[in-house]
Amino acid sequence: AQTIHQWPVAEIKAVGSPLSLGCTIKGKSSPNLYWYWQATGGTLQQLFYSITVGQVESVVQLNLSASRPKDDQFILSTEKLLLSHSGFYLCAWSLGNEQYFGPGTRLTVL
Amino acid sequence: GEQVEQLPSILRVQEGSSASINCTYENSASNYFPWYKQEPGENPKLIIDIRSNMERKQTQGLIVLLDKKAKRFSLHITDTQPGDSAMYFCAASVDSNYQLIWGSGTKLIIKP
Repeated sequence: AQTIHQWPVAEIKAVGSPLSLGCTIKGKSSPNLYWYWQATGGTLQQLFYSITVGQVESVVQLNLSASRPKDDQFILSTEKLLLSHSGFYLCAWSLGNEQYFGPGTRLTVL
Repeated sequence: GEQVEQLPSILRVQEGSSASINCTYENSASNYFPWYKQEPGENPKLIIDIRSNMERKQTQGLIVLLDKKAKRFSLHITDTQPGDSAMYFCAASVDSNYQLIWGSGTKLIIKP
């Protein structure tokens, strides 16, 4: 059974529209959770991390926000998309040093 | 300093030969060094890692070396196969920190 799910799989959105991406972890108690962004052909940029429910730390500002409403859920959102938000969004979890990635959401902003 | 430099950005090797990717880090407190493989359209997958209490680790055709004095670590893929073609990323982190600092990636191309 897959440990980590992300939704949606892909999204095409207009500039200025809102966005909400989700990540759910199954079978792991109180994992650390992470959001990453990857431009096409680029490296991984960590955006946020959370070590407990209700607590989220920002690593880099990209006009995005994140929340952890439940132990197994991590949400990435923005009220207003920019063209530069296009890319591959990856959620990851860890219980120690090793981080394991979800399947990702491919976002295209037009 | 928090950067990780990864070289080369593109590496072409003949099938059956070895491939080596090198990374250097700045933060001397870094103590965990993972390597990820990412195939086109897929998520990165952890393939091997090494901690600062080791100098060498080997698993299934992969070797990782760590030189703490030089703040350098490297991935060596022996007997490369077409399935090894992918992007490879190195990263470094400090235990007390929840961030992984990533290298810029190496595109490995295995020539038949």
